[in-house]
Amino acid sequence: EAEVAQSPRYKITEKSQAVAFWCDPISGHATLYWYRQILGQGPELLVQFQDESVVDDSQLPKDRFSAERLKGVDSTLKIQPAELGDSAMYLCASSLSQGQRETQYFGPGTRLLVL
Amino acid sequence: GQQVMQIPQYQHVQEGEDFTTYCNSSTTLSNIQWYKQRPGGHPVFLIQLVKSGEVKKQKRLTFQFGEAKKNSSLHITATQTTDVGTYFCAADYTGNQFYFGTGTSLTVIP
Repeated sequence: EAEVAQSPRYKITEKSQAVAFWCDPISGHATLYWYRQILGQGPELLVQFQDESVVDDSQLPKDRFSAERLKGVDSTLKIQPAELGDSAMYLCASSLSQGQRETQYFGPGTRLLVL
Repeated sequence: GQQVMQIPQYQHVQEGEDFTTYCNSSTTLSNIQWYKQRPGGHPVFLIQLVKSGEVKKQKRLTFQFGEAKKNSSLHITATQTTDVGTYFCAADYTGNQFYFGTGTSLTVIP
């Protein structure tokens, strides 16, 4: 069964450093999501792509976070500089298309610890 | 952003007991999805509810969508240790974005 791939699985960094996460969605899935999940809370949407275009990045802290999906396939989420409060699980998900009734398939996530 | 309240936050049950989690919204939803996240894992899709008053069953799991499409519930009959995890609802207001609830963490005591 096809899965969403993410790397790295774990990342430890010091504050003020730059970090980058990679996601490869299920083949053929046009919509890609990046979520942040703080321990004990539900996933919070950071950015949503439809193909290579950003559909929603209203919750993305744009002063330090950036995301791209240049060819409409895989995607990178970057944090620069990282802050202590960025410690969380970063989940990538994909769906066939945008809109209601679409199941989101989540990757295993990248657990980030900022020291 | 939109607020989706989910209760309870934690639930401990003896194996064989039933379990219910509730998801409530102050505004009408377009549809709602339910996900399960095992400890250390990632959310896995369970079901989607679209119609007012809809009820769907998956073996021991029963999902309901309220008549006003503002609330939903997940009920597990005769819990098993494999049911352990956190159950999230994800509410869709506009048809484009899902807002996840805070989740209910289920512990099943053997």
